[in-house]
Formats: sequence, structure tokens, C-alpha cells
Amino acid sequence: NAGVMQNPRHLVRRRGQEARLRCSPMKGHSHVYWYRQLPEEGLKFMVYLQKENIIDESGMPKERFSAEFPKEGPSILRIQQVVRGDSAAYFCASSQTATSTDTQYFGPGTRLTVL
Amino acid sequence: GENVEQHPSTLSVQEGDSAVIKCTYSDSASNYFPWYKQELGKGPQLIIDIRSNVGEKKDQRIAVTLNKTAKHFSLHITETQPEDSAVYFCAASPTGFQKLVFGTGTRLLVSP
Repeated sequence: NAGVMQNPRHLVRRRGQEARLRCSPMKGHSHVYWYRQLPEEGLKFMVYLQKENIIDESGMPKERFSAEFPKEGPSILRIQQVVRGDSAAYFCASSQTATSTDTQYFGPGTRLTVL
Repeated sequence: GENVEQHPSTLSVQEGDSAVIKCTYSDSASNYFPWYKQELGKGPQLIIDIRSNVGEKKDQRIAVTLNKTAKHFSLHITETQPEDSAVYFCAASPTGFQKLVFGTGTRLLVSP
């Protein structure tokens, strides 16, 4: 099964630490999206990346959050100096093309808990 | 920007009944409307989608209808089964943007 893969599935950090979330897109997909889901809420778009490029980061908080999708390896969502409000499920999705009508397939998510 | 509203927030039905979930969107330029099912502790799974050049699409017990004039779309599940119990999200994709704007979700409970 060559679905979207995310790791770790669960991540616990203390306030002030860094969190690194990884996402490997489906085979043949070169477009990656990150979404955040707060408890009992819908998913909110954070960032859209292609290989080596950030295309749309309009949903990403301006501070402490960054994302990359290097030429080789998975996409990384990095949260520096985590705070309790960062506790959420972070989902990655991938698509084959860049058209707005293309299907996005989601991974199982990383559940971040900040103590 | 696009805003998607979803109703109801919770829906309880008896096994075998039909379930209908409705969504409205604000951006008339949106042209892609997927529906996702999310089970506890899992990622959203695409169950059906519709593009703006069609008004209805069916896949076995699941159907989606789209009314572009009124800017609303609906998910219809017939002959519900307990395994249909989950949270369902609608979404819209504005033309020219590669992001999905999600509704707030509907928790569907199908009782045996």
C-alpha cells in the first residue's frame, strides 16, 4: 500500500521544545499539503509545497512554524518552542497534480501533545 | 476567502435509514467539492467528490448533489449501516488555489 505516510503517529513535547513532523507523499505525487485539526474541529489548511518550493503558506502561523519539502526525502513540518496551544492533530495530504480539482489523499496524521 | 458551513453537527439514525448532510460555500469560483470520512484516530478518507461541471454523482449507497446557483452541496447515504458511523467533512476548493477549505464536520451515529 503506497499511501501517504506520516511519522511519528504520536509525539509528546514539553513547552519550549521543538517538534518535527514527517510526511512521505503517495508514490508519484509531488504536491504536499499540511493541515491542522484542533480537538472537535475541522481541518485548517497550513501550507502547500512542491519539491524544494513553498507555494502557499497563507495558513501557517508567522512565527515558530516552518515547512520544507526537499529534493530528496520527506516533507517536514517544524514547530519551534512549542506551546500548549500547538496540541493538535497534524495531517499531511498529497496530490498528483497542481490543479484545484485534483484529489488530495490524506495520511494518518501526527497527534502532537504539548505538556 | 472561501467559507464552508456544514449542518447538522450531529446526526443519529437507525440502521437502514437514510442520512443527509448539507454544506454551503461562499466563493462562487470554487469548482471542486470532496467529502471525507474520518474514523476515530485516523486520517480523513475520501468517499466521494464532485466537480462543478456535474450536478449529481453516485457510488453505490453514497451520492452527492451540487447546486452551483445556490452554492450548496449535499451528501446522501442510503441504507445506513453501523460501520457508516464516523465524522464526515465536506470541503471546497477555490479555483486557482491548491487548498481545501473544510466544513466543521458532522458526527453520524448509526444505531443497530
